[in-house]
Amino acid sequence: EAGVAQSPRYKIIEKRQSVAFWCNPISGHATLYWYQQILGQGPKLLIQFQNNGVVDDSQLPKDRFSAERLKGVDSTLKIQPAKLEDSAVYLCASSSQRGAPSYNEQFFGPGTRLTVL
Amino acid sequence: AQSVTQLGSHVSVSEGALVLLRCNYSSSVPPYLFWYVQYPNQGLQLLLKYTTGATLVKGINGFEAEFKKSETSFHLTKPSAHMSDAAEYFCAVLGNNRKLIWGLGTSLAVNP
Repeated sequence: EAGVAQSPRYKIIEKRQSVAFWCNPISGHATLYWYQQILGQGPKLLIQFQNNGVVDDSQLPKDRFSAERLKGVDSTLKIQPAKLEDSAVYLCASSSQRGAPSYNEQFFGPGTRLTVL
Repeated sequence: AQSVTQLGSHVSVSEGALVLLRCNYSSSVPPYLFWYVQYPNQGLQLLLKYTTGATLVKGINGFEAEFKKSETSFHLTKPSAHMSDAAEYFCAVLGNNRKLIWGLGTSLAVNP
C-alpha cells in the first residue's frame, strides 16, 4: 500500500512570510497527526485529527499555525507569519482505528524541512 | 506523568560490533514502548514495539529490545552493526492520553 505522502519536501522562506504543507495519509486511516521536529529533538505533536475533527491541538501555536482536514482525508498545515524558530521538519503521520484502542501504530511521511531565514 | 530518557545523544560503533542504545522510561501504568528509526531525510519508521507478553521483542533489520520492568528500561540492541544502520533512533512510550511521548533521540554512527 502507498505510504503517507507529504509535499513539499523542502521549503525556504523569510520570516513573516506564509507557508503551507500538505499531507495525504494512508488510504483508510482515520487518524492524522502533524508533528514538529526541531533539530536534535524528538517529534512534538502539534495537532491530531480523527476523520475531519480535531482531537488534540493543545500544543499548536494557534496565533500563527492552523490546520485543516476538511474531507477527512488529506490535510494542510499553515504557518502565518513564520518566525525563525519555526525552522524544523514537519512530519505527518496516520493510523487506522483497527486493533486495540490503546495502541494504533503511526505511519510517518518523509517530512517537510522548513528553513526560515 | 510519563517520560522517556535516552542515554547518549551520539553513539559510535565499528561495523560488526554490538549496537546498544539505551532507553529508560517512567510510567504509572503498564507501558507500551516503541523504538523508531529515522534515516537521513526520511520519516520515522517503527523498528519494534512492546505492548504485552514476551519481554524480548524482535524487530526489523535484526534489532531487538528487552522490556525490564524492574529497571524501567527498554534498551535496543543489534549483535552486529552494519553501515546501513547509521541513523537517528527514537524511543517512545504511549502516554495516558494515548499520545506518544518521545525521547530526544540517539544518533548512531557506524565506522568501517
